[in-house]
Amino acid sequence: AQTVTQSQPEMSVQEAETVTLSCTYDTSESDYYLFWYKQPPSRQMILVIRQEAYKQQNATENRFSVNFQKAAKSFSLKISDSQLGDAAMYFCAYHNNDMRFGAGTRLTVKP
Amino acid sequence: ETGVTQTPRHLVMGMTNKKSLKCEQHLGHNAMYWYKQSAKKPLELMFVYNFKEQTENNSVPSRFSPECPNSSHLFLHLHTLQPEDSALYLCASSQEGGKLAKNIQYFGAGTRLSVL
Repeated sequence: AQTVTQSQPEMSVQEAETVTLSCTYDTSESDYYLFWYKQPPSRQMILVIRQEAYKQQNATENRFSVNFQKAAKSFSLKISDSQLGDAAMYFCAYHNNDMRFGAGTRLTVKP
Repeated sequence: ETGVTQTPRHLVMGMTNKKSLKCEQHLGHNAMYWYKQSAKKPLELMFVYNFKEQTENNSVPSRFSPECPNSSHLFLHLHTLQPEDSALYLCASSQEGGKLAKNIQYFGAGTRLSVL
């Protein structure tokens, strides 16, 4: 079974600074997708960024970027120039046959 | 607003009640999902419907009964629930389901369910 592990239950970052959230996963598949979702207090899960496993280039979306290490099965999220609105739960997810989520990292942004 | 609407937002029910959760998507998607989100646990996939056909049931107890009358609507019928069923129930949709589908899932805001 594929499992997704987020080893940081909570993280904190100063506004305008950079923070990296960790995610590792376990799979025997070679082709899959990886996602980072954000869940603010409004509870709505919002897609932050997506990575296709067959692409070596790391995905980037404005201030959000990933460090995808396929051999290490690692998929970390870097948030640059953190803003107060980035405060939320962040979930890493793996998709091959169905979607598997990590337990989440709660990110606090300090003004 | 992601185009996926869930009602009600909050629900309190007794263990003998029967209630239903509703999900509606306005995105023209063909796959819909029910997830259970409990505190400090990963999201648990419950059911998947692809083109109105149930394609996955992740060993969910029979007190949870899904219904998908069309590609835009998904229901979760609840009866004789237990207190441990209290959780946030999230609905999602995607363009298509299945293995390696280009599956960006769009989520609703969930129904917070409390079972007394």
